[in-house]
Amino acid sequence: GAVVSQHPSRVICKSGTSVKIECRSLDFQATTMFWYRQFPKQSLMLMATSNEGSKATYEQGVEKDKFLINHASLTLSTLTVTSAHPEDSSFYICSAGTGRDTIYFGEGSWLTVV
Amino acid sequence: QKEVEQDPGPLSVPEGAIVSLNCTYSNSAFQYFMWYRQYSRKGPELLMYTYSSGNKEDGRFTAQVDKSSKYISLFIRDSQPSDSATYLCATGGYQKVTFGIGTKLQVIP
Repeated sequence: GAVVSQHPSRVICKSGTSVKIECRSLDFQATTMFWYRQFPKQSLMLMATSNEGSKATYEQGVEKDKFLINHASLTLSTLTVTSAHPEDSSFYICSAGTGRDTIYFGEGSWLTVV
Repeated sequence: QKEVEQDPGPLSVPEGAIVSLNCTYSNSAFQYFMWYRQYSRKGPELLMYTYSSGNKEDGRFTAQVDKSSKYISLFIRDSQPSDSATYLCATGGYQKVTFGIGTKLQVIP
């Protein structure tokens, strides 16, 4: 089946630094990828929709200058958390569609900002 | 009102029991319904998806959708300890999916 790979699975960074998370579709081309954030005991919340070759579409309340999304190819989207702060510590998950209305998720990335 | 309502549980059942997990949704425009399983500290894994009202069966799992009452269910037969996880319902479509909060299930040996 379709596989979405996400890297790194865990990252710890110092407050004020930036961290990049990669999301790759391994056996299909994804023109659209999605980035979610999940705080403990809360539901997945869509942050932004990443479109290959164009600007990402951000959900209300998500700072586009803080969460930079780049979708440079049909198999790779990156999320960069800039000037990270402890409140950005969360579980970040990407997903990609196969074009058949089925969405597959990456394994997720645990970000801890200290 | 949240677009998708789901009881967070936790739900504890003995091994072999039939598990019933449920969600309600508010947007009648939702046409697409999914169930995901999420183990602790892992990404969600797609279990079932369906477009229409009625039942869809896959092994021990049955997804049920009732569009008239905006009610979706997942049944797990002969539950196993390995089924212990958080189960998230989701509705919407390709461009945007809305998730329930997830129900934590524990199957006790």
